[in-house]
Amino acid sequence: GIQVEQSPPDLILQEGANSTLRCNFSDSVNNLQWFHQNPWGQLINLFYIPSGTKQNGRLSATTVATERYSLLYISSSQTTDSGVYFCAVEPGGSYIPTFGRGTSLIVHP
Amino acid sequence: GAGVSQSPRYKVTKRGQDVALRCDPISGHVSLYWYRQALGQGPEFLTYFNYEAQQDKSGLPNDRFSAERPEGSISTLTIQRTEQRDSAMYRCASSLVSKETQYFGPGTRLLVL
Repeated sequence: GIQVEQSPPDLILQEGANSTLRCNFSDSVNNLQWFHQNPWGQLINLFYIPSGTKQNGRLSATTVATERYSLLYISSSQTTDSGVYFCAVEPGGSYIPTFGRGTSLIVHP
Repeated sequence: GAGVSQSPRYKVTKRGQDVALRCDPISGHVSLYWYRQALGQGPEFLTYFNYEAQQDKSGLPNDRFSAERPEGSISTLTIQRTEQRDSAMYRCASSLVSKETQYFGPGTRLLVL
């Protein structure tokens, strides 16, 4: 099946810093989503982004499907950004999302 | 209506018992997904439904696991003869249709003693 690799696995930031999280995938995809799992375990959809660029406040995401990667940008990080960020992809012809192992982010005040 | 809800939120059971986990999706959402998430891992697909029809159950680990969605709304994931290795967070998600944004419920944390 499709392989999804996220990097870095762990990230520690000082409040106010910027960061870039990466998701690489091994095959063509029809769908890609970014999720944030907060410290209380809730999974929240951030972006549905099979291609192109989207922005939502301090967060933005870019997917370059032809090169099989997606990037999540977090600007001016806040302590509430802490948690695990997951990338999930659906291969072409499949409706089954495959999740990466996530990037664990800690933002210190 | 409100977001996806799941019950119970926590379930502790003894090995060998059957458990039933419930998911109530967002009203009007056609697609419903079940996942299992181990500590430190991303969610792992189990099965999904469009309306009442189970579209894919390839992720169910073995025949002790089954799921249904008889009226195309609420779904139940049943684990028979539970084993300790079944301990995990079980998550449900729904989307308006397939290949749309998925909204996750809070999960049911299952502990098999």
